[in-house]
Amino acid sequence: ETGVTQSPTHLIKTRGQQVTLRCSSQSGHNTVSWYQQALGQGPQFIFQYYREEENGRGNFPPRFSGLQFPNYSSELNVNALELDDSALYLCASSFLGGSYNEQFFGPGTRLTVL
Amino acid sequence: DAKTTQPNSMESNEEEPVHLPCNHSTISGTDYIHWYRQLPSQGPEYVIHGLTSNVNNRMASLAIAEDRKSSTLILHRATLRDAAVYYCILRQGGSEKLVFGKGTKLTVNP
Repeated sequence: ETGVTQSPTHLIKTRGQQVTLRCSSQSGHNTVSWYQQALGQGPQFIFQYYREEENGRGNFPPRFSGLQFPNYSSELNVNALELDDSALYLCASSFLGGSYNEQFFGPGTRLTVL
Repeated sequence: DAKTTQPNSMESNEEEPVHLPCNHSTISGTDYIHWYRQLPSQGPEYVIHGLTSNVNNRMASLAIAEDRKSSTLILHRATLRDAAVYYCILRQGGSEKLVFGKGTKLTVNP
């Protein structure tokens, strides 16, 4: 069974640029959630995708957008990067429709905005 | 989102039990109590969850107060590999969103 994988592991961008982060779900899962974790803080929910549609969103501006593909992998896109976007971005997959929707997290992508 | 309160940090010795407390006085009837932990340089991982009754699994036990306003995660014999940040989370029934606080950083001494 393959776990949740994310790419790239590290990324450096400058203010105003755009970035795309990728996530491969664990086998058998149909839901992907994205979280932002600033240094020293707990993860903050960005949004979730289920069956290729957004299924809930946290308090993040529209420049944070996402996609889920038919194979349940996902992308997080951030436009017009700001310094405060520097963080660890975590992807979590789960199976919506089971008895308990435990979320399995990937190792994250560390984004630095200069 | 319902809030939880946890101590910032705790210390334990290897092979001893650890009791990690969590207060959630504003919990509603449909909120599940979840615990995740985050080891250094890793994403969070699920530990345990419960609604009203105490729960046990291979990793830990969860003791829930009768009024559900507090809970305690119990690690029966701490190991060095249990050193992590432990998050207590309230999750609404039917909601997929996990609302993390700052958690408790557990240090395990050899």
